[in-house]
Amino acid sequence: ETGVTQTPRHLVMGMTNKKSLKCEQHLGHNAMYWYKQSAKKPLELMFVYNFKEQTENNSVPSRFSPECPNSSHLFLHLHTLQPEDSALYLCASSQPPPAFFGQGTRLTVV
Amino acid sequence: TQLLEQSPQFLSIQEGENLTVYCNSSSVFSSLQWYRQEPGEGPVLLVTVVTGGEVKKLKRLTFQFGDARKDSSLHITAAQPGDTGLYLCAGEVAGGTSYGKLTFGQGTILTVHP
Repeated sequence: ETGVTQTPRHLVMGMTNKKSLKCEQHLGHNAMYWYKQSAKKPLELMFVYNFKEQTENNSVPSRFSPECPNSSHLFLHLHTLQPEDSALYLCASSQPPPAFFGQGTRLTVV
Repeated sequence: TQLLEQSPQFLSIQEGENLTVYCNSSSVFSSLQWYRQEPGEGPVLLVTVVTGGEVKKLKRLTFQFGDARKDSSLHITAAQPGDTGLYLCAGEVAGGTSYGKLTFGQGTILTVHP
């Protein structure tokens, strides 16, 4: 069983929908991350949160909106996505590296 | 330009063979991790190396961190079909501005045939 849990595991959404991805870590870590994994591309870091504060936004479009209400929970709010946003979205936590990953959410935008 | 160059990208071998995957960079890393990922799942941590020249063993897997902390290798002895998967190296650049930020290599897709 992983210490980082992501829900849902699979999500299909239309381009006009609004949905949210949830991540919860049970490891007591202070840093949490969102990564995007597309076919044939390295993992791309999207956002970094340290002690609930966003410390990095890796030029991510505003249609992706992260939220970190506390050091155990991380959300990624999605709205008006494009088909090219279809990917595996991974949450991770660390204190300090290494990072431990959740199982991911497979997102398909139709 | 890829910060971490991982090679080879694809490796298809027979059960019982040995293999090595390389991860190279011009940057110095304060730590380097190796992960294994199966389709539709998140990466699972295999090892972390932090000291230049460090060698770590995990059963049939041997991990080495270069003396200058710019490169690493993963060697698998007598590969088995259960070793099949995507292998990823990831490093935290020394002196980086973002705490815990990892840079990933492109990954190596390993297929071990029975």
